[in-house]
Amino acid sequence: SYELTQPPSVSVSPGQTASITCSGDKLGDTYSCWYQQKPGQSPVLVIYQDTKRPSGIPERFSGSNSGNTATLTISGTQAMDEADYYCQTWDSRSVVFGGGTKLTVL
Amino acid sequence: QVQLVQSGAEVKKPGASVKVSCKASGYTFTGYYMHWVRQAPGQGLQWMGWINPDSGATNYAHNFQGRVTMTRDTSISTAYMELSRLRSDDTAVYYCAPNGVSAIIGLDYWGQGTLVTVSS
Repeated sequence: SYELTQPPSVSVSPGQTASITCSGDKLGDTYSCWYQQKPGQSPVLVIYQDTKRPSGIPERFSGSNSGNTATLTISGTQAMDEADYYCQTWDSRSVVFGGGTKLTVL
Repeated sequence: QVQLVQSGAEVKKPGASVKVSCKASGYTFTGYYMHWVRQAPGQGLQWMGWINPDSGATNYAHNFQGRVTMTRDTSISTAYMELSRLRSDDTAVYYCAPNGVSAIIGLDYWGQGTLVTVSS
């Protein structure tokens, strides 16, 4: 079965740029999404179709997807961005999630 | 506005079944596949499958085939996920999420989650 690999944790200082990667075989050949999840809350879609932001998501969130790696980039990271982030793609008719990355802003 | 309201928390014994409901409003229920995703305590998101609310067709993740049944009642815009032969490691929050309500490719709305606890 298809697998997506994320680093378990990423740390960033406030105001700096955070990058979270998601790796999978030929991941760039399909669309990827990214979800943000804060403790006790449902996931929120922050990036879809590799690079697009849903309405209401700040411009500091951006995405890319090429080759075997999708990347979520948060520019000018704020304390409120501290959360778990999950990448997601499609494999045939199924949905696949990455294992998640805990972003710490310190 | 789009709303997904799930049924309340459940406590079940090992071997029992649980049925979680997800009532949708604010969009055309039959127009978008409904996905179910679960999250065990302290763990990541795990996709369980989807149902096409229009036709009733389903696609289940391999891990759940034979134990999960997804159904819907279009008259009340509600999707259901039933998991049988529960084990302690089925303890998790279960979410429903339609795909692409905002004309995008992604799970753009999520229910509030239903905690299912399996304990003897």
